[in-house]
Amino acid sequence: DAGITQSPRHKVTETGTPVTLRCHQTENHRYMYWYRQDPGHGLRLIHYSYGVKDTDKGEVSDGYSVSRSKTEDFLLTLESATSSQTSVYFCAIRGQGAVGELFFGEGSRLTVL
Amino acid sequence: QQQVKQSPQSLIVQKGGIPIINCAYENTAFDYFPWYQQFPGKGPALLIAIRPDVSEKKEGRFTISFNKSAKQFSLHIMDSQPGDSATYFCAASMKDYGQNFVFGPGTRLSVLP
Repeated sequence: DAGITQSPRHKVTETGTPVTLRCHQTENHRYMYWYRQDPGHGLRLIHYSYGVKDTDKGEVSDGYSVSRSKTEDFLLTLESATSSQTSVYFCAIRGQGAVGELFFGEGSRLTVL
Repeated sequence: QQQVKQSPQSLIVQKGGIPIINCAYENTAFDYFPWYQQFPGKGPALLIAIRPDVSEKKEGRFTISFNKSAKQFSLHIMDSQPGDSATYFCAASMKDYGQNFVFGPGTRLSVLP
């Protein structure tokens, strides 16, 4: 157990509303990631963080923003949700070893109506 | 090119069979190739990984075969069991890519009793 908690686990919202997903870790890992998982696309990187207030874009960052004000929390925000953002969102942390294994949370299923 | 291709999309085998999942990549700078296993409703978890300086790695019933010249790698599951039914993702990573991972689209494996 890598000590990763995602919240909420399930959310249904309407188009145009803001949504924030939270990822909390208990083991002080430097690297944190947000992925989305969609059928036929696997896991695609949205944003990642390499330290407090240090973030960068992934391959599908449009429509998403992130913040990391504390080591343990990485927030993903959809400023104005669209139906194309209906997905399962996974937070991950990178382990401390030389290889840097990814440990994933349980996922947050978001439905945008 | 950061893409990782994966096939087949789905696979059904009988218990005891040897399912094989194949992946291919273009960027020769990739230097770490993990496989992740995901059960329904859970986040992916690292199954086994290989670096390009070896051609094969075995852990229990799971084996990765790596062909550096062809830029391909595959996962073999020996004596497959119904409990192996899951979605499998191959991935690739390299240090110059911000230590980020690129995932294949996934293979849904069903092992029939």
